[in-house]
Amino acid sequence: GAVVSQHPSRVICKSGTSVKIECRSLDFQATTMFWYRQFPKQSLMLMATSNEGSKATYEQGVEKDKFLINHASLTLSTLTVTSAHPEDSSFYICSGSSPYSYEQYFGPGTRLTVT
Amino acid sequence: AQRVTQPEKLLSVFKGAPVELKCNYSYSGSPELFWYVQYSRQRLQLLLRHISRESIKGFTADLNKGETSFHLKKPFAQEEDSAMYYCALRRGGNEKLTFGTGTRLTIIP
Repeated sequence: GAVVSQHPSRVICKSGTSVKIECRSLDFQATTMFWYRQFPKQSLMLMATSNEGSKATYEQGVEKDKFLINHASLTLSTLTVTSAHPEDSSFYICSGSSPYSYEQYFGPGTRLTVT
Repeated sequence: AQRVTQPEKLLSVFKGAPVELKCNYSYSGSPELFWYVQYSRQRLQLLLRHISRESIKGFTADLNKGETSFHLKKPFAQEEDSAMYYCALRRGGNEKLTFGTGTRLTIIP
């Protein structure tokens, strides 16, 4: 199956700083990428949907100025958590959607800890 | 708005016993339903989807539109089935997935 990678796998940052998470589709072109957030022992909550070359569509309650999403190419989307706070600590997961099957392929996730 | 409900957070089943993970949904149209699985320390992966009507790793799921359910079943549980299972709904095409809260399945040896 198709592979999606995320970098970094873990990141620790200080409160007030920004951190960027990369999501790459390695062997297919992901016209659409999705960003999720997962709290411990809870389900995945969709944060935003991004289509290549367009602005991301954010879910209700997600601050677009805080969670900046860029989908500049068919194989790369980035999520930047700006002015991070401890409550932003979470597991962030991306997925890429194949334009042929519309199946979503998930990345391994990035563990963000804000101190 | 669509919603997916998985009533059981935890489910423990003896090895060799039948397994059923429940999933109910609410959506006014004709949705696509999926089951995803997340094994320990691994990424989320697709287990099966209702439109393909296939059996993967012995699991099957039938879409019951009358009961708005998409329960996941396996006749004989195996230890390697222990994982987190998520039911998900999509309106169609390249739309977003709406996930249930998940069921942690533990197979008792």
